[in-house]
Amino acid sequence: NAGVTQTPKFRILKIGQSMTLQCTQDMNHNYMYWYRQDPGMGLKLIYYSVGAGITDKGEVPNGYNVSRSTTEDFPLRLELAAPSQTSVYFCASRTQETQYFGPGTRLLVL
Amino acid sequence: DQQVKQNSPSLSVQEGRISILNCDYTNSMFDYFLWYKKYPAEGPTFLISISSIKDKNEDGRFTVFLNKSAKHLSLHIVPSQPGDSAVYFCAASAQGAQKLVFGQGTRLTINP
Repeated sequence: NAGVTQTPKFRILKIGQSMTLQCTQDMNHNYMYWYRQDPGMGLKLIYYSVGAGITDKGEVPNGYNVSRSTTEDFPLRLELAAPSQTSVYFCASRTQETQYFGPGTRLLVL
Repeated sequence: DQQVKQNSPSLSVQEGRISILNCDYTNSMFDYFLWYKKYPAEGPTFLISISSIKDKNEDGRFTVFLNKSAKHLSLHIVPSQPGDSAVYFCAASAQGAQKLVFGQGTRLTINP
């Protein structure tokens, strides 16, 4: 049981490039989330999903897109990377009681 | 609008003493509160939670207190150990809500 896994661990992007951050969970959770954490700040919700085929915007969705074709996978897409998207990104899945987080992807946009 | 606030960015405590981390919230609809612990280069991990029907919940060295009238919760760690050095986030949700709202975090350092 690996829990929530994220790839890559670290990536450097040039301005305007695109990439997909991968997130997979093996706990059969319906709810999944994407957060970003900026230095000295809390976790800001980007997008979330309550089940396969259903996604919704969080607090800071601009510049990102998601899809949820299976229960296990919840990829986050950056289409035109901007320096403001430099951050650490965490994926999470949820039980009734709490959320379980992946180890994070550190993204640097230069 | 910061609905969940942790006003102390950092806290330093002597090993063996009590650590008290504080969290305030503004949304009276919040009825479930959680504390997460985060080490560098790792994701947050769940520590302890409390429902609004309680005012205290204990799990080993960790106790969370909830004061609904003051919209305040606190996490007590007794005794503090070096491995407790981490960033602690409080989070809150409203009944039926699908999302958590997080505070900014408090960096706890336990000194030997």
